[in-house]
Amino acid sequence: GQSLEQPSEVTAVEGAIVQINCTYQTSGFYGLSWYQQHDGGAPTFLSYNALDGLEETGRFSSFLSRSDSYGYLLLQELQMKDSASYFCAVRDPNRDDKIIFGKGTRLHILP
Amino acid sequence: ETGVTQTPRHLVMGMTNKKSLKCEQHLGHNAMYWYKQSAKKPLELMFVYSLEERVENNSVPSRFSPECPNSSHLFLHLHTLQPEDSALYLCASSQTWGGGAYEQYFGPGTRLTVT
Repeated sequence: GQSLEQPSEVTAVEGAIVQINCTYQTSGFYGLSWYQQHDGGAPTFLSYNALDGLEETGRFSSFLSRSDSYGYLLLQELQMKDSASYFCAVRDPNRDDKIIFGKGTRLHILP
Repeated sequence: ETGVTQTPRHLVMGMTNKKSLKCEQHLGHNAMYWYKQSAKKPLELMFVYSLEERVENNSVPSRFSPECPNSSHLFLHLHTLQPEDSALYLCASSQTWGGGAYEQYFGPGTRLTVT
């Protein structure tokens, strides 16, 4: 079957660093995307990794290891506004390019 | 502002009603999507349109009927829904289907309640 696994909840302190992991089992793989969704809001695109390694965009970085079927989103210098749900998503070329989303990780930030 | 708008934002309907959800994207994208988001469940892809042609129908019940009159507009027609269809319905667009599908822009969603 196909699945993406990510923790349901993560808690961190304002100003700290937090890592949200995502492991995937899909029949095919093109790349891993990350999305952020605030309560009552729309998901917004954060990053995309097609190749192994770390991609940095400001305070957010995303990492991919294709050999391990694993990726993570790294958030640095956490701010209260980063409290949201974070979804990883895989595009599977063996399933008509279907986009498969994980269940999301709820990030709680403590002052 | 994401460039994707949806109306209405909230909708309450009885099981015998017929209603439609509307989505409009102002980004010049060629692909549009309907998703269902229920509590504690992953985003579920329902339909995909690429250049106004349906390219994905993800085993969605026939009580949901999509329509894409042009590349900027997408509708979801609803009839004889069930209470378990209550959810947030999200519209999204991307530059292209396939290679461009990894970066999608979402609308704010329609919160649907079926009574």
